[in-house]
Amino acid sequence: EVQLVESGGGLVKPGSSLKLSCVASGFTFSSYGMHWIRQAPKKGLEWIALIYYDSSNKYYADSVKGRFTISRDNSKNTLYLEMNSLRSEDTAMYYCAVTTEAPFDYWGQGVMVTVSS
Amino acid sequence: DIQMTQSPSFLSASVGDRVTLSCKASQNINKYLAWYQQKLGEAPKLLIYNANSLQTGIPSRFSGSGSGTDFTLTISSLQPEDVATYFCLQHNSWPLTFGSGTKLEIK
Repeated sequence: EVQLVESGGGLVKPGSSLKLSCVASGFTFSSYGMHWIRQAPKKGLEWIALIYYDSSNKYYADSVKGRFTISRDNSKNTLYLEMNSLRSEDTAMYYCAVTTEAPFDYWGQGVMVTVSS
Repeated sequence: DIQMTQSPSFLSASVGDRVTLSCKASQNINKYLAWYQQKLGEAPKLLIYNANSLQTGIPSRFSGSGSGTDFTLTISSLQPEDVATYFCLQHNSWPLTFGSGTKLEIK
């Protein structure tokens, strides 16, 4: 059974940093690209980052480019999202997701990030 | 970026009703449209991809249609457990973009 478990969220002040993790199991993590998707409170979904299976390519939404960094450690089956210069508009539930046979066919349960002074 | 517009934003229907949700793309996305169901407090769940392919394990009362810019998700007979917000996603070109959602409730 595919499982994605995020952690690392919390309440932080504007301008600070935070690093999220997503531990994967139930599939060959090192064979698949991984994504981060976020959802602001009572809002829609926003794709924010993709990393290829071998970390050879990384892509970001304009809203986070230059502030967020996606990375992975295939030896630990873990995906990361390092978030710097956080703003109030980054407040959201952050999901990791994978496309194995269909777009975003598996999601984690999400981790909440709140940016507030 | 491709804009995805969903309508209506809110829908109330009775158990057993046939329900139709709409999603329109700002440009041609061929058949590359997916639908997700998100229940309160849960992560989204994939229902349909490539416009009309039913994800494994999803009840057959869910179906999708459309191509190009206009797409539809149909629930043939609404059940109480279908109360949720439904999002569409274009998976034709990067960045992938979601619609703003249709919240479905039981009348």
